[in-house]
Amino acid sequence: EPEVTQTPSHQVTQMGQEVILRCVPISNHLYFYWYRQILGQKVEFLVSFYNNEISEKSEIFDDQFSVERPDGSNFTLKIRSTKLEDSAMYFCASSPPGSETQYFGPGTRLLVL
Amino acid sequence: EDQVTQSPEALRLQEGESSSLNCSYTVSGLRGLFWYRQDPGKGPEFLFTLYSAGEEKEKERLKATLTKKESFLHITAPKPEDSATYLCALRDAGGTSYGKLTFGQGTILTVHP
Repeated sequence: EPEVTQTPSHQVTQMGQEVILRCVPISNHLYFYWYRQILGQKVEFLVSFYNNEISEKSEIFDDQFSVERPDGSNFTLKIRSTKLEDSAMYFCASSPPGSETQYFGPGTRLLVL
Repeated sequence: EDQVTQSPEALRLQEGESSSLNCSYTVSGLRGLFWYRQDPGKGPEFLFTLYSAGEEKEKERLKATLTKKESFLHITAPKPEDSATYLCALRDAGGTSYGKLTFGQGTILTVHP
């Protein structure tokens, strides 16, 4: 069964550094999302992406965040200058055409020191 | 603002002891109500989508139901492998298509043999 994949599984970085989290959505899906989950808290929406444009973004998704679909398979989340409070699990998700159901990847655990 | 509240926060059951998890929600218009299972350190795994009051979905020992104000996840004769955090999420009918899911904080289910 096709799955969303994410790399790396774990990332440790220094405060102020840039990180890029990578995702490969399910191949026939057209809608892509990023969420984050701070330890012990709810899963929070960051951004949705369709047709090479951001469809919706949350207040969390400020100027330090950006998303890109650099080729036909990858979907990336860039954090330009990481802060301690960016430490969280980051999940990528995708939806097929005509469905609201979002399928999640295994996540990238980001630790900012 | 959309709100999703899950109860109880934690539930401990004996193997075979059936029970229900609750998801209460407030939304201006519901596009979809979703149930996910999340194992520790993993991404949410899709279980069900419900679209309208009165709808029911079943999968193995799980059954999800929906009213205009809440959803229930009924677990019949649970097994230890059903132990996980169960997440409820909703899509608001307003806003963009294929936009954010709003999650509850989850119910941690532990099933003892």
